[in-house]
Amino acid sequence: NAGVTQTPKFRILKIGQSMTLQCTQDMNHNYMYWYRQDPGMGLKLIYYSVGAGITDKGEVPNGYNVSRSTTEDFPLRLELAAPSQTSVYFCASFALGQGETQYFGPGTRLLVL
Amino acid sequence: AQKVTQAQTEISVVEKEDVTLDCVYETRDTTYYLFWYKQPPSGELVFLIRRNSFDEQNEISGRYSWNFQKSTSSFNFTITASQVVDSAVYFCALSGVKGVKTSYDKVIFGPGTSLSVIP
Repeated sequence: NAGVTQTPKFRILKIGQSMTLQCTQDMNHNYMYWYRQDPGMGLKLIYYSVGAGITDKGEVPNGYNVSRSTTEDFPLRLELAAPSQTSVYFCASFALGQGETQYFGPGTRLLVL
Repeated sequence: AQKVTQAQTEISVVEKEDVTLDCVYETRDTTYYLFWYKQPPSGELVFLIRRNSFDEQNEISGRYSWNFQKSTSSFNFTITASQVVDSAVYFCALSGVKGVKTSYDKVIFGPGTSLSVIP
């Protein structure tokens, strides 16, 4: 298993540009999450999904959109990038009743200038 | 509102010392989950433990142990005989339960405690 993979690893965006952060897991996990981590801070939940076709807002959803058309993929969309979205983005997955371990991707470092 | 406090911003210990990282949480939920994560200098996030609010038994895993006390709303993490590889930022987190089916609601992270283990 590759676990949770994220692409790209690093990206520089100009203000107002759009991009999609990709997240894929091959463990058949039903729960998937997107977090952002600002420098020196903890993680804040952006969106999460409890299964294909179901998504819900987290703590800081403004400026982002998600979709979950398959169990494996949970892309995060930034429509109009702003400097405040400069952060490291982590995707995670989890399955209830399967060891209860939450797996994280390696992160995507995003810089908005 | 839910809140997680990790009052210790930075801790330094000498190798082989024991160290306890404090976590205090606030929630009005009667059912909730508590977590600990480790983030080493390389930046990846490692899940350490998940505990539900109905299970107040202490947990031990090797050199790691967790003390959950509902009466004081604390979920402290102790590393015994610390090693240099334990140097990392440690996050405590809290999640409510949403809906009839047991599922996570919003997950709130504490600000983290940076642990340095000096050889």
